[in-house]
Order: sequence, then structure tokens, then C-alpha cells
Amino acid sequence: NAGVTQTPKFRVLKTGQSMTLLCAQDMNHEYMYWYRQDPGMGLRLIHYSVGEGTTAKGEVPDGYNVSRLKKQNFLLGLESAAPSQTSVYFCASSYSTGATEAFFGQGTRLTVV
Amino acid sequence: RKEVEQDPGPFNVPEGATVAFNCTYSNSASQSFFWYRQDCRKEPKLLMSVYSSGNEDGRFTAQLNRASQYISLLIRDSKLSDSATYLCVVNYGGGGNKLTFGTGTQLKVEL
Repeated sequence: NAGVTQTPKFRVLKTGQSMTLLCAQDMNHEYMYWYRQDPGMGLRLIHYSVGEGTTAKGEVPDGYNVSRLKKQNFLLGLESAAPSQTSVYFCASSYSTGATEAFFGQGTRLTVV
Repeated sequence: RKEVEQDPGPFNVPEGATVAFNCTYSNSASQSFFWYRQDCRKEPKLLMSVYSSGNEDGRFTAQLNRASQYISLLIRDSKLSDSATYLCVVNYGGGGNKLTFGTGTQLKVEL
């Protein structure tokens, strides 16, 4: 049972470099999310998607882009990484409506130097 | 004011103790509520949903007070394995089923 899988799990980038984080879920969930978690800040929503082909901004979207070309995949892109984007990134997915549980991937630890 | 506020702790308790965490939320239109557990360097996982009438799952009891806009989690007979960070989570409804997380309360259960 894979659930939600994130790749890579660790990455070190230099300032200005770009990268894409991949999230894949095998639960046929409609909704997918990208969060970042920083000490003392809790999890903050970057972008989310309510279905294939749709994306929307969350609480802290600046500096990130996303795409949901296939229902099972949600990609998070950093076009020009900055040290402020050093964080742990979590992808999550859930059913479409109601008081439903969100399932999280194992996280990606990104350091921008 | 943060949308979801929790005491960060840490709460250091002996094994077998009863410990309670509170959480307050700012949006009175909030629709659903949860407690998630996060172990060190791991992903958050659902511990339990919180219902208006209160609910219990083994040693864990969750309560919701809509009038005062707070949620509580009670852990009885604490185990070493309960050591973790407990996240209070609120769903404000609307599109996207978006969850808003508190910063978490750290619990350390000691021998």
C-alpha cells in the first residue's frame, strides 16, 4: 500500500537553481495539497488542487508553481530557489468533500544554500 | 492572531499520567476538526476526528466547544510511545477541503 509517495526525500540546492518535487498518490483522491513546515510555524499550505487540470493558491504560494496534469500526480516547482525556501515539504491528498482525513507523504527535506 | 493556536509545550509527563492539550481557533464558521500526531521527522497522521458531542478512542478523548471555539485532547494512562507532537487541525470548509494546522504541542512521556 503505497499511499502518498514523494520524491526526492532530500535535496540540497544552490540559490537560483530550479527543481521539481513529485507527489504521487494511488488512492484515487480528487484533492491534493503541498505544505511546507518550518520550526514554530506549523504546516502552511502552498498550493492545492481540487482535481486533474486545476490548481489554486494557498497561504504561501510565492516562489512556487504547481501542475496537476494527471489525477494521481501533483508537482511542485521552484524556478529560482532562495534560502527562505529551506524547509520540509509535505504533499497530502484527500477525498473531495466533508470531514475527511488527509494522507501525507513522508516529506522532502530541502536545503537551499 | 493565528487561526489555530496551541501551547507548544513541551509537556513532560511520567508514564501512566493523564495529560490534556487545548487548542483555540479563530474562525467561528469552522466546520470540522481533527487531532493529528506527528513523530519526529515523520509525516503527520490522523489521530482522531473531533465531533460536537465529544468522542473517545481507547485512551484518547476529544472534545469540541463551539461556543468558546476550542478543542481539547485528553490522553489517559500515558505510554512512552505517546511521545510525539500533537497537531490541532481545523477545516474551514468552502472549496478545496483545506486544512489549517496549529503549530503543535510536544509531549514527552518519561519513565
